[in-house]
Amino acid sequence: DVKVTQSSRYLVKRTGEKVFLECVQDMDHENMFWYRQDPGLGLRLIYFSYDVKMKEKGDIPEGYSVSREKKERFSLILESASTNQTSMYLCASSFLWANTEAFFGQGTRLTVV
Amino acid sequence: DAKTTQPTSMDCAEGRAANLPCNHSTISGNEYVYWYRQIHSQGPQYIIHGLKNNETNEMASLIITEDRKSSTLILPHATLRDTAVYYCIVRVASGSARQLTFGSGTQLTVLP
Repeated sequence: DVKVTQSSRYLVKRTGEKVFLECVQDMDHENMFWYRQDPGLGLRLIYFSYDVKMKEKGDIPEGYSVSREKKERFSLILESASTNQTSMYLCASSFLWANTEAFFGQGTRLTVV
Repeated sequence: DAKTTQPTSMDCAEGRAANLPCNHSTISGNEYVYWYRQIHSQGPQYIIHGLKNNETNEMASLIITEDRKSSTLILPHATLRDTAVYYCIVRVASGSARQLTFGSGTQLTVLP
């Protein structure tokens, strides 16, 4: 089975902290994605990566950065966490071409206090 | 990628077919239609996808109109476990597949 593993299921951080959310996939997928999900807003794409060290902004990249040093790992970084970044964060991965499905992790519920 | 329009919510009786519509009137000839669902507190799960022809797998059927401007996901015998948010997405087929963008989806509630 394909696995997309997010490092934490629940996380509580303080305002101003630097926060790292980690995602690892075991299927040698080229594409990896980070989303946030908030009630009534659906899934919104933050960043995605199609290769090691390559990244592209999604719809809401402000306040976030990403790192992809190895193919299997994609990290989302909140440089200075704020309360409006309290959300469910979901990671996904897929092969490069469009005719393939994406696999999602279980999500990290981040609370910034 | 083209935008999609789905109803906000739908109900379906257990054991009956659930038909979930999706409009994608600006779809291009090289865009696939994908369906995912998200059960509460879980990550989204892939259901099915298609380009032009109707598709069927063990979970569902996908009916795409001839002009490809709309599609319908059919769950033939809905169960309580099918209660979820269902997302319809269109995604470019040619070249490298990069951005994967979700809309608001349809909340399907299967009623006993």
